Amino acid sequence: DVKVTQSSRYLVKRTGEKVFLECVQDMDHENMFWYRQDPGLGLRLIYFSYDVKMKEKGDIPEGYSVSREKKERFSLILESASTNQTSMYLCASSLDRGSEKLFFGSGTQLSVL
Amino acid sequence: DAKTTQPNSMESNEEEPVHLPCNHSTISGTDYIHWYRQLPSQGPEYVIHGLTSNVNNRMASLAIAEDRKSSTLILHRATLRDAAVYYCILFDGNKLVFGAGTILRVKS
Repeated sequence: DVKVTQSSRYLVKRTGEKVFLECVQDMDHENMFWYRQDPGLGLRLIYFSYDVKMKEKGDIPEGYSVSREKKERFSLILESASTNQTSMYLCASSLDRGSEKLFFGSGTQLSVL
Repeated sequence: DAKTTQPNSMESNEEEPVHLPCNHSTISGTDYIHWYRQLPSQGPEYVIHGLTSNVNNRMASLAIAEDRKSSTLILHRATLRDAAVYYCILFDGNKLVFGAGTILRVKS
């Protein structure tokens, strides 16, 4: 089975801190995605990547950046965390471009105080 | 992105079939219809997808209207473990855009 692993289940940070959320997949998938999930708003796409060193903006990229130096790892970076970035962050991967099946991690609940 | 419309919530009895509807009147000819579900405290998981024909797999069936403007996810015998949020999504080959989904409650 495909495994998508997010480094932390819960994370508490302070306003202004730089935050790294890490995601690793073990099935050599080309595509990786970062979503955030908030009550009443569903899942919203932040950034995605179709290949190493490539990234594309999703629907809500403001305040975030990403890094994909290796195929299996996709990092989400909050340069200066703010309270409105308190959310559940979900990482996902899929085999290749056009592949319909996403595999999700269990999520990281980030609280910014 | 093409939109989907789902009921906010539905309730079912255990062991009975469940039909979860989805409207997607602005679907384009190349959009696939996808369903995912999210169990409590977990990330979403893939359920099924289709383009024009009805589809079956071990988890569920997908019935697609002839004009493709609506579809129905069918759980043949609901169990308590099927209680989740079910998302109907149109996939254009680039990215999945999730809506609010339907909260399915299963009563024993």
